[in-house]
Amino acid sequence: DIQMTQSPASQSASLGESVTITCLASQTIGTWLAWYQQKPGKSPQLLIYAATTLADGVPSRFSGSGSGTKFSFKISSLQAEDFVSYYCQQLYSTPYTFGGGTNLEIK
Amino acid sequence: EVKLVESGGGLVQPGGSLRLSCATSGFTFTDYYMSWVRQPPGKALEWLGFIRNKANGYTTEYSASVKGRFTISRDNSQSILYLQMNTLRAEDSATYYCARDIAGWFAYWGQGTLVTVSA
Repeated sequence: DIQMTQSPASQSASLGESVTITCLASQTIGTWLAWYQQKPGKSPQLLIYAATTLADGVPSRFSGSGSGTKFSFKISSLQAEDFVSYYCQQLYSTPYTFGGGTNLEIK
Repeated sequence: EVKLVESGGGLVQPGGSLRLSCATSGFTFTDYYMSWVRQPPGKALEWLGFIRNKANGYTTEYSASVKGRFTISRDNSQSILYLQMNTLRAEDSATYYCARDIAGWFAYWGQGTLVTVSA
């Protein structure tokens, strides 16, 4: 199975700042990586797919980069509604594993 | 509008069984792979498996953690996805989501249904 190591597990930041989350795959996955946002008590929402492509309706302050085994997810100019949880997921091969998640907190 | 609505969750004793349903609408059900994903309280998401579309013979794949205990099936006449869960354990307690892809990406999710395995 492909392991997805996501870091940090939690991060504090201020409104307007930028944050970056990283996912490392245990083997190459090309660009078969997605990023999701999950608000408390809600289902995950697809933000980025194919490592860099923004899903429909997702604000441009969200961005993704990387290929192979190292991937990054950036939020520029944090808004209040961004302080929730984020997950990466590889869809290169089954089982489609998720990262452990990152919880963003307001500083 | 694509809609996915899970149901069937609840409290079940260890060793028991439960069948979850995911009622879908707004798309041609037979065209899509359908997945189940779960999330224990306060923990990360875990993909459980999928059932392929008509073009791929409705075959299934599972994660190792549920293979042999859980079965994914679909009623294509009613556009409903199922997850049959047997020999349930405390560690199966989670919110269970169904999800539909767009070109392989999980673009649509249901609201989830909570399963609690406890004596």
